[in-house]
Amino acid sequence: NAGVTQTPKFQVLKTGQSMTLQCAQDMNHNSMYWYRQDPGMGLRLIYYSASEGTTDKGEVPNGYNVSRLNKREFSLRLESAAPSQTSVYFCASSEIVTGKQPQHFGDGTRLSIL
Amino acid sequence: AQKVTQAQTEISVVEKEDVTLDCVYETRDTTYYLFWYKQPPSGELVFLIRRNSFDEQNEISGRYSWNFQKSTSSFNFTITASQVVDSAVYFCALIDSGNTPLVFGKGTRLSVIA
Repeated sequence: NAGVTQTPKFQVLKTGQSMTLQCAQDMNHNSMYWYRQDPGMGLRLIYYSASEGTTDKGEVPNGYNVSRLNKREFSLRLESAAPSQTSVYFCASSEIVTGKQPQHFGDGTRLSIL
Repeated sequence: AQKVTQAQTEISVVEKEDVTLDCVYETRDTTYYLFWYKQPPSGELVFLIRRNSFDEQNEISGRYSWNFQKSTSSFNFTITASQVVDSAVYFCALIDSGNTPLVFGKGTRLSVIA
């Protein structure tokens, strides 16, 4: 019962470095999401992929890129990390984008940028 | 655009007290879905409940109950006889029929003191 798997769990970067966060789900879900969680801000959507081959911007896409590699995998890339991107990143998946089924979340990646 | 407000930032109760977490939402759609998620200190996000806009029946699951009132645009969550294990951040979330992914409130941190 893996569900949604995120790697790595922790990472420290220097300003300007690049990094890709990996996410894979084994529930045969069509839709996948990347969120960031900051203190007092709740979860904010960065990008999502409604289905394989599509991606769309969320609320806070600046500074990030995504790739829906296949139905299982959805990666998030920071091309030039900035201290403002220090956060906890969550990947999620759901059968479809609409609310008929809940989103299932990975355990998160804690990212610190110095 | 949809919006979720959780006005209570932090709540502290003594074990065995009842506690209600408030959630007020905004949407122009008549079809929408509401969710509650729990984030314990370990950091993962756990799905608790989903409710669609056409079902105003209250729901009870053990010590948890949910009160959905369309007239006040609220979807409140009550924990009866709280326990230390209930200590967590609780998020309310909304998705409407516009295929815009889930929008989260900022969360309520509940501390249950033994």
